[in-house]
Parts: sequence; C-alpha cells; structure tokens
Amino acid sequence: AAGVIQSPRHLIKEKRETATLKCYPIPRHDTVYWYQQGPGQDPQFLISFYEKMQSDKGSIPDRFSAQQFSDYHSELNMSSLELGDSALYFCASSYRLAGEPITDTQYFGPGTRLTVL
Amino acid sequence: DQQVKQNSPSLSVQEGRISILNCDYTNSMFDYFLWYKKYPAEGPTFLISISSIKDKNEDGRFTVFLNKSAKHLSLHIVPSQPGDSAVYFCAASKVSGNQFYFGTGTSLTVIP
Repeated sequence: AAGVIQSPRHLIKEKRETATLKCYPIPRHDTVYWYQQGPGQDPQFLISFYEKMQSDKGSIPDRFSAQQFSDYHSELNMSSLELGDSALYFCASSYRLAGEPITDTQYFGPGTRLTVL
Repeated sequence: DQQVKQNSPSLSVQEGRISILNCDYTNSMFDYFLWYKKYPAEGPTFLISISSIKDKNEDGRFTVFLNKSAKHLSLHIVPSQPGDSAVYFCAASKVSGNQFYFGTGTSLTVIP
C-alpha cells in the first residue's frame, strides 16, 4: 500500500541557510501534519493543513512556513536555519470524513533528517 | 509542559511473555488516544487507537486499556515477539483539535 513520502530523506545545511522539505500524503488523504522530533525528544507538532488551508498551528517558529498545494502535497520552508533546528521532521497524513469528529488516524512518513552545521 | 507522559524510558521482556507499556496524560480534554511504534530511521507506525467512549480495544496481540478517571492508558502485547522491539509512543488529541500530543516514548526490547 502507498505510504507517506517525504523528500529528501537527509539534508545538511549551514546556519542561516534555507531548507525546503516536501511531503506527499497517502492518495486521497486530505490532511497533512508536520512534526519536529529533536534528539531524545518526542515529536512536537508544528502545523497542519486540511484541504489546502491551515487548520492547526503548534510550536512552529516564525522562520518556518508551510503550505499545502492543490495536489495535497505539502512543503515546509525553513529560513535562517539555526543549529537547534537539527532534528527529524515527520510529515503525517490522514483522511477526515466531513462532519465527523476530528479523530482521524495519522499515518507518518519516514521523516527527513535535517542537520544544521 | 508535557501533557502526555511515558515514565518508563525502556522495558525488557522475554519472548512469549506479556509487555505492558504505560502512558499518563494530564489534559482532561483528551478524548482520542493512539499508540505508535517506531523503528530507527523510520517514521512512527500506527498500532492501535481508542476513543474515550471505550475502556478497551483489542487488535490481535495488541490491546489498549483506557482508565479515564486515572488519566492512564496502557498497551499490552501478548505474546511479545523479538520483532516488537522498537520505541513505542502514545499520543493523545482533543476531539476539537487535530494535533496529537506525544509521550516521550518507551524503548521495548524483547529478548529471544
């Protein structure tokens, strides 16, 4: 079965550079979530999109932005990278039934490991 | 502020025995809970979920128990297999929101 695809899998950047992470959700999934997992930490929610609109916002720095496109893929743009941005970035997708309570199960991609030097 | 806590960072169990992973939460608004399994260099894989209208959900070798009054849930794996060795995260969400709050994970090792 098709899963969530993230690219690139690994990325090395220097301080103050920019990075773009891409997420391709499971086909027919309309909701995308971004999480950041630092070393030894639990995944922290950054931001989510439903039907191309931002639906929830967590601890996403102002230096980061994200969007969901018409084909439902999403991109996380990170600027002025800092050493502390080094982490695993997970994307998850789900399908939300219209009118149903938001208890959708999120399926995760393999993650992008970002290293900031 | 850690709203979902897994107080045991690691657990070792003999193959064939029961593994019990515990999770506590502080936010009484949480109404939906999931367990994820994570192997190194891979994303979390969904295992099993439970909503607050239930106190137990079973799927094969995996059973999740929810005690709302104690704000506690647990994952039972019976019988444990070496392939179950991974990091297990519990996650919770409010029905009104769609972000999940994760625990810090428990590393399970099943010894052959």
